Parts: sequence; structure tokens; C-alpha cells
Amino acid sequence: GAVVSQHPSRVICKSGTSVKIECRSLDFQATTMFWYRQFPKQSLMLMATSNEGSKATYEQGVEKDKFLINHASLTLSTLTVTSAHPEDSSFYICSAPPLGANTEAFFGQGTRLTVV
Amino acid sequence: QKEVEQNSGPLSVPEGAIASLNCTYSDRGSQSFFWYRQYSGKSPELIMFIYSNGDKEDGRFTAQLNKASQYVSLLIRDSQPSDSATYLCAVISVKTSYDKVIFGPGTSLSVIP
Repeated sequence: GAVVSQHPSRVICKSGTSVKIECRSLDFQATTMFWYRQFPKQSLMLMATSNEGSKATYEQGVEKDKFLINHASLTLSTLTVTSAHPEDSSFYICSAPPLGANTEAFFGQGTRLTVV
Repeated sequence: QKEVEQNSGPLSVPEGAIASLNCTYSDRGSQSFFWYRQYSGKSPELIMFIYSNGDKEDGRFTAQLNKASQYVSLLIRDSQPSDSATYLCAVISVKTSYDKVIFGPGTSLSVIP
């Protein structure tokens, strides 16, 4: 099946710094990539949708200036958490949408972000 | 009303029993439904998907879909301790021009040896 590679798997950063998370589709082209955030014992919450060649679409309540999303190519989408704060500590997961009817979404391995 | 709802649990069943997980969704136009299993600190992994009304069986897992009732369930037969995880119901939303995968809050399952 399709593979989505997410990097890094874990990152610890200081408050006020920025962190970039990369998500690559390895054997297919992804014009769209979903970015989710998951706090402990909670479900995946869709943050935004990156679109190759156009601006990302953010869900209600997600600060677009804080969570910068770039879809540089058909195989790479990035999420940058700017001026990170401890409350941004979470599990971030990217996902490529189903490739066609009756197929599944493909997830990256996830990034555990800890802001200290 | 949330788009996808699940019983939050935790659900505890003894080893060998049947675990029943339920999910309801609000978008009547949804066509694709998924069950994912997620272990703590890991990404979700697909258990089953279902598109047509009725039952779909795969090994110890059976998914049931009733579009009229906007209800989808997952049965796990002969539950094993390794089945202990959070189970996420997911629905593809067709409200936008592209398909969005919307997750329920998840049900925590604990299989007691």
C-alpha cells in the first residue's frame, strides 16, 4: 500500500522556538495532505488541509499564523509550529486522503512534540 | 452535534469474549466508513472499512453498517489482551470539494486476561 513518511518522530524544543515537521508520500503523489493533532486520551482533531499549489485550508479555531503549512511539491507537505509554547505539546500526524473510491487514508508515523 | 460520535468507554471485556464498539455519524451523505486501532503513542492502523449496508467480516472482526440509522459498529470476537487499544471510527465527509476523514473521539478497549 501507499506509504507516508513523517519526520521527526520525536522532538523537544524550547518555548518560543519553531519546529518543522515533514510529511512525504513515498510511492505516490499527494495533492492533498491532512494534518491532525492529538492530545493525550483524545481523538485526532483535523487542524488543516494542505493543498499542493495553493493555500492550506484551516479548520475553525486553528491559528494559521502559528501553524504554517506548506505543500512544496506533490510528495512533500510541512507543518511548522511557530513560537511554540508548552500547550502546543501534542502528537501531530499527517495523513494522505484515500487515493480513490473504497480505499483508506494513509498515515505518517506521527511526531511527538514536547515544548519545555 | 459532533460529526462522528462513539461511546468513550473505557470498555472492559474478559479474554475470549466479544467486544462491541459503536459509532454514529451526522453526515447522511457519507459513503465510506473505517475502523482504526491506535496504541498509545502510535499512529492509527486500519482494521476494517465498509461501504455497503450490512455486515463485513474479516477474521475476528465484523463491521456492521446501517446507513438509514447512520450507525456503524465493530465486533471483535475472541478478544485478546493484544486487542487492548483505542478504536477510532472514521468517516469520509463529502461536505467539501475534497474528501476529509473525520474521526470520532475513540473508544478505549481493555481486554482482561
